[in-house]
Amino acid sequence: NSKVIQTPRYLVKGQGQKAKMRCIPEKGHPVVFWYQQNKNNEFKFLINFQNQEVLQQIDMTEKRFSAECPSNSPCSLEIQSSEAGDSALYLCASSRDRAAEQFFGPGTRLTVL
Amino acid sequence: GQGVEQPDNLMSVEGTFARVNCTYSTSGFNGLSWYQQREGHAPVFLSYVVLDGLKDSGHFSTFLSRSNGYSYLLLTELQIKDSASYLCAVRKPNYNVLYFGSGTKLTVEP
Repeated sequence: NSKVIQTPRYLVKGQGQKAKMRCIPEKGHPVVFWYQQNKNNEFKFLINFQNQEVLQQIDMTEKRFSAECPSNSPCSLEIQSSEAGDSALYLCASSRDRAAEQFFGPGTRLTVL
Repeated sequence: GQGVEQPDNLMSVEGTFARVNCTYSTSGFNGLSWYQQREGHAPVFLSYVVLDGLKDSGHFSTFLSRSNGYSYLLLTELQIKDSASYLCAVRKPNYNVLYFGSGTKLTVEP
């Protein structure tokens, strides 16, 4: 069973508000991924880290999201100004290295009203 | 989505088998992973394949044909609790980002 912890499980925000979610990767997993799963079950990769360094991110993340993985603190993903289309399940996954399997947390379900 | 395709739904009967198909046409390939996801829960890793052929893992087996861009997940001796969505995900060479299909919802009937 995965030991990735995500908080909060549910998040409700109004349009234009900030929405912040956190992820604690499995112990010993320095690589962290964030994905968005929409209501049609379509996944979209958002950003990944190795330790504190961003490896890759999509354009949308760079423009509208703020994400970090500080040492000795949970990783976080924050939408700066929520839009209705951001309503989705945000999944965090971690792996022990760049080539290893990714193990997912339970996700944060964001609803933007 | 994202060049990875799966049928939406699949039904089978308890005690028999089910084969979940996946086709992909992505540029760059570093293996293919299968996950199980129940409603409201995290995807759970099942199997990873990168070489052609059948990989037998007991209750779950996986097959890959890279030249055809095709994989399947085979579940044998089905139980009702195997009812779930099964996700196929292609790993890209750049940092192993996963590109998922939309999942196949398997319903196992008594």
